[in-house]
Amino acid sequence: DAMVIQNPRYQVTQFGKPVTLSCSQTLNHNVMYWYQQKSSQAPKLLFHYYDKDFNNEADTPDNFQSRRPNTSFCFLDIRSPGLGDAAMYLCATSRPGIGSEKLFFGSGTQLSVL
Amino acid sequence: GESVGLHLPTLSVQEGDNSIINCAYSNSASDYFIWYKQESGKGPQFIIDIRSNMDKRQGQRVTVLLNKTVKHLSLQIAATQPGDSAVYFCAETQGANSKLTFGKGITLSVRP
Repeated sequence: DAMVIQNPRYQVTQFGKPVTLSCSQTLNHNVMYWYQQKSSQAPKLLFHYYDKDFNNEADTPDNFQSRRPNTSFCFLDIRSPGLGDAAMYLCATSRPGIGSEKLFFGSGTQLSVL
Repeated sequence: GESVGLHLPTLSVQEGDNSIINCAYSNSASDYFIWYKQESGKGPQFIIDIRSNMDKRQGQRVTVLLNKTVKHLSLQIAATQPGDSAVYFCAETQGANSKLTFGKGITLSVRP
């Protein structure tokens, strides 16, 4: 089945130690998103790619960066994780144009910062 | 600012009863609405959507109602089952290629 796959499901890192989260998709969607979701809160958009065109949300900290080497893969890099960055990180995809509003989510990576 | 929000943080229903989850939105320009279901430790799953040119849409056991006059959206789940226990999010957008804005989640708990 076509899907959005995130690895790993659980990631533990140390305060200040760079960490990379991965997302791949077999839907061949042009648009990929990274969301941060803290406990009992709604997902918060960090940035998205429209093909290779990167779009950063205004309030996304500089500590968060992303790479999209090809259509299928997207990475979230946290340069110096702080305790406040512990959260679920969700990757999502969508088609452009009509139907682009519907996002397809992966299962997320739960990040813990020690 | 513009926001999407849910009225109640938790909803507890008896198995077999119908559930109604409500959502208010404030952006009158919103023209597309989605309900997502998120089970513990998983990503949000699409349930049902509706465009602003409709006021009702039905799926399997679920119905979404849209009242544009009062900017209100609801999700009705018929014959609620234990597997329906999850956090439900409404989300809205102003159209193709615009950002999806999530409301605060509401937890649905189904009593056996």
